[in-house]
Amino acid sequence: ETGVTQTPRHLVMGMTNKKSLKCEQHLGHNAMYWYKQSAKKPLELMFVYSLEERVENNSVPSRFSPECPNSSHLFLHLHTLQPEDSALYLCASSQGEDSGANVLTFGAGSRLTVL
Amino acid sequence: GQNIDQPTEMTATEGAIVQINCTYQTSGFNGLFWYQQHAGEAPTFLSYNVLDGLEEKGRFSSFLSRSKGYSYLLLKELQMKDSASYLCAVKDSNYQLIWGAGTKLIIKP
Repeated sequence: ETGVTQTPRHLVMGMTNKKSLKCEQHLGHNAMYWYKQSAKKPLELMFVYSLEERVENNSVPSRFSPECPNSSHLFLHLHTLQPEDSALYLCASSQGEDSGANVLTFGAGSRLTVL
Repeated sequence: GQNIDQPTEMTATEGAIVQINCTYQTSGFNGLFWYQQHAGEAPTFLSYNVLDGLEEKGRFSSFLSRSKGYSYLLLKELQMKDSASYLCAVKDSNYQLIWGAGTKLIIKP
């Protein structure tokens, strides 16, 4: 496989469930990102990992917990979510992080619905 | 605060030309990006501008004026497959990407 792959593509969960989103990149990139995309709103950066170290956490609630076991894999662990957390969660990767021209390669996203 | 403005939705006709505008107010500037996102798919990179002027890539061109805080994406010879959302994003002085909410482009036959 090439590019950035996200699983599952769709997830429905209750507020008391625990689930995880998975992201895998086969591009040899060293930075990975989690974004939240809600309808008619700008992309919201949640977490950034560079060389497997977390470098940013944009005041994300603790019910979202990221994990980056190696430079190719990124997880987002979810627990006790709220209905307002329903959104498309996009994973992205890039070669380097702090550079003007570095381009993000996105996965197709995991559509999360919290009941 | 930092802000990116772009129209919410635009409609154009197959074969025509459409211009999608993006204005920004950010703390510093380290480049402007355009991404295309088809419904249910990943956003994909279209263009990057860091200097003033026009960058052309086939049917798509992107223009930047840093003094005006303004960019546009120009799509020529529109095809039905160009129906998508177009996302404008600016890198600020800390290399943080600031995103617009996207413009949904609808192409009609």
